[in-house]
Amino acid sequence: NAGVTQTPKFQVLKTGQSMTLQCAQDMNHNSMYWYRQDPGMGLRLIYYSASEGTTDKGEVPNGYNVSRLNKREFSLRLESAAPSQTSVYFCASSEFPGSSRYFGPGTRLTVT
Amino acid sequence: QKEVEQDPGPLSVPEGAIVSLNCTYSNSAFQYFMWYRQYSRKGPELLMYTYSSGNKEDGRFTAQVDKSSKYISLFIRDSQPSDSATYLCAMSAGNNNDMRFGAGTRLTVKP
Repeated sequence: NAGVTQTPKFQVLKTGQSMTLQCAQDMNHNSMYWYRQDPGMGLRLIYYSASEGTTDKGEVPNGYNVSRLNKREFSLRLESAAPSQTSVYFCASSEFPGSSRYFGPGTRLTVT
Repeated sequence: QKEVEQDPGPLSVPEGAIVSLNCTYSNSAFQYFMWYRQYSRKGPELLMYTYSSGNKEDGRFTAQVDKSSKYISLFIRDSQPSDSATYLCAMSAGNNNDMRFGAGTRLTVKP
């Protein structure tokens, strides 16, 4: 099993450009999440999907949108990138809400 | 005040030492507690998962939860250079959007 996979691994954007980060999991988990990780801030939840067909905002949703394409896939879109969105983005999944998150390898995004 | 506080370190110990990593929290509703290990430029990987108070042991790793003090610990016995990583604590009341992570403690184990 591959677990949680993410593409791309690295990306550099100019301010105002858009992009979509892709995530897929093969563990048959119900819930999926998008986090960003910044130095000294820990992991912060951007959006989550409790189950297929539902999405909800997390702590830091501004500037992002998500799509739960099916049970396996959950994408994160930046419509108009800003330098403040420079970060490492992690996708995660879990079997049920209270259970452990399993993380992907991350996408390093730089917005200039 | 952050919901979860974790000393960022860095912490440097000699090989074979016992390591103690700690987190404190303020939300008394938290009942699921986790420790993650994150190697440089990698995603966090689950190390330990405990529910409510008590101890859990897995090989060289022991997780302790003291809900009365709102304090959790991870002990690493006989530390190895391969344990060098950042360790993140995490906790949740059981809802999708309430898991909170510590900022991480960077550990270096020197041969």
